[in-house]
Amino acid sequence: KNEVEQSPQNLTAQEGEFITINCSYSVGISALHWLQQHPGGGIVSLFMLSSGKKKHGRLIATINIQEKHSSLHITASHPRDSAVYICAAHSGSARQLTFGSGTQLTVLP
Amino acid sequence: EAGVAQSPRYKIIEKRQSVAFWCNPISGHATLYWYQQILGQGPKLLIQFQNNGVVDDSQLPKDRFSAERLKGVDSTLKIQPAKLEDSAVYLCASSLLRGPPYEQYFGPGTRLTVT
Repeated sequence: KNEVEQSPQNLTAQEGEFITINCSYSVGISALHWLQQHPGGGIVSLFMLSSGKKKHGRLIATINIQEKHSSLHITASHPRDSAVYICAAHSGSARQLTFGSGTQLTVLP
Repeated sequence: EAGVAQSPRYKIIEKRQSVAFWCNPISGHATLYWYQQILGQGPKLLIQFQNNGVVDDSQLPKDRFSAERLKGVDSTLKIQPAKLEDSAVYLCASSLLRGPPYEQYFGPGTRLTVT
């Protein structure tokens, strides 16, 4: 069983819809990352959070440490949001990331 | 500030051939990571360097993969000989060494196809 589980694996939405991607982890963490990967392969860090909630533009990330669960929300989704979204747990003294398998998001115009 | 640089971006080789990837991290980042990302999966750590020393290479297939970071700056990852299952995107990332868990900055990746 993967230590970081994401759902759903694939998500198709219409432009303007509110989107939620979920991440559950079983390891103790010091921080959790949400990353965005476009088809070219490069990965961009969206958020790093260890408690509460962070917001950047139309993106919101929340984390519940007690429940070991995090969510990424996208408000007013747009086709340019189409990408793979990956959550990754930061744990251990070696500062390593354990990655989920990603959620492929497609936003249709 | 320049990001993490990787080259080449794409490489196609036949099985049993060798290949090398290069990574130049963000200036001042002491920690460097190489990841392998197979299609449809999240990245898997192959090796982590701290300056020019290896912190973790437990998931590196050492019979065919090798990596070095001789001067504690740029790094090379080599596969010799390649197998079909090595087809993947190879990502390099870097981060600061000390303090809270700093985020990792990723390069654009090298997409390897082994035929």
